[in-house]
Amino acid sequence: DIQLTQSPSFLSASVGDRVTVTCRASQGISSYLSWYQQKPGKAPKLLIYTASTLQSGVPSRFSGSGSGTEFTLTISSLQPEDFATYYCQHVNSYPLTFGGGTKVEIK
Amino acid sequence: EVQLVESGGGLVQPGGSLRLSCEVSGFTFSDHYMDWVRQAPGKGLEWVGRIRNKVNSHTTEYAASVKGRFTISRDDSKNSLYLQMNCLKTEDTAVYYCARALIDRITGSTMFDYWGQGTLVTVSS
Repeated sequence: DIQLTQSPSFLSASVGDRVTVTCRASQGISSYLSWYQQKPGKAPKLLIYTASTLQSGVPSRFSGSGSGTEFTLTISSLQPEDFATYYCQHVNSYPLTFGGGTKVEIK
Repeated sequence: EVQLVESGGGLVQPGGSLRLSCEVSGFTFSDHYMDWVRQAPGKGLEWVGRIRNKVNSHTTEYAASVKGRFTISRDDSKNSLYLQMNCLKTEDTAVYYCARALIDRITGSTMFDYWGQGTLVTVSS
């Protein structure tokens, strides 16, 4: 099975900060990676798919990059509504797996 | 408007069974793969399994943790997805989400573009 390791697992940042979350795969997954945002008590929301394609309706301050085994999610200027937990997920092969999550909190 | 509404969660004893439903509207259900994802209290997301569309013979895939105990099915005439859970364990306690899997026509990649609100399953004696 492919394991996804996210780092950091927790980060504290201020409004306006540039934030980067990393997701590393235990083996190459090409660009078959998605990113999701989840707020407490809510279902996850798709942000990015195929590593770098922004889902319709998602603000352009979110971006994704990477291929193979290393991927990043970047928020160019953190907004109050962005404080949430972020998950990567690979769809390269079965079983599909999620990373452990990165919780972004207000500094 | 696309909607996915789960139901059927509740309290069940270890070793028991439960059937979850996910009723969808706002899109052509029969065209899409559908997945179940769960989240234990205070924990991360865990993919449970997938059922493909009719074109792909409604074939299924499962996570190792539920294979042989859980069965995913669908009724395209009722726009409904199901998760039959047998031999439940305390570690199956979680919020269960159904999600629509969208296939990117260029890459063949899939992503979960719509999710239900989730239904809580508690396995406890």
